[in-house]
Amino acid sequence: QQQVKQSPQSLIVQKGGISIINCAYENTAFDYFPWYQQFPGKGPALLIAIRPDVSEKKEGRFTISFNKSAKQFSLHIMDSQPGDSATYFCAATLNQAGTALIFGKGTTLSVSS
Amino acid sequence: GAGVSQSPSNKVTEKGKDVELRCDPISGHTALYWYRQRLGQGLEFLIYFQGNSAPDKSGLPSDRFSAERTGESVSTLTIQRTQQEDSAVYLCASSLRGGKNTEAFFGQGTRLTVV
Repeated sequence: QQQVKQSPQSLIVQKGGISIINCAYENTAFDYFPWYQQFPGKGPALLIAIRPDVSEKKEGRFTISFNKSAKQFSLHIMDSQPGDSATYFCAATLNQAGTALIFGKGTTLSVSS
Repeated sequence: GAGVSQSPSNKVTEKGKDVELRCDPISGHTALYWYRQRLGQGLEFLIYFQGNSAPDKSGLPSDRFSAERTGESVSTLTIQRTQQEDSAVYLCASSLRGGKNTEAFFGQGTRLTVV
């Protein structure tokens, strides 16, 4: 119930294309769903996050789509750029004290120029 | 400093030795997390501290692993009798307590190599 399943494991996208990464969760009590971006040799950094009271959140080229009934959420990167090449992790947690972030296994994105 | 600081950045140790990894969270952050990241793998939850509550130790892989945190400050992760499979990057993160501020800020990690 605590798992977050992420796919695909790796993704290659042409510059200008759309990158889509999917995650699924089991615990219906989760109420905060962030995406983290990690470059080689660095710690992960928060990219964008969503709460289950909305179905979509957009920040620049990055959009989270959230489907509460299906217990799924996805990250869309529009107009993908070589600088977006990184590993992306979805996560979920209860937005209250006493619970840790549970991460998916990550997706390595390569954007070819 | 403004961010989460971890030390050392790299540690090479012999199999069977004990190691201590240190994390300095962002000042004022009451929540602190330790994660393990093996090469090319995801973030494996180890332990979570939240204020003065009992820590969530459910992710610790064996009794060779332990962690302490004094109040809302520094945390140390100790691995006793290290094994080669302990080789990984150990990441620490901190966040503000609950509410709307659940963003976790990560340090750059300690790369542990057991030879």
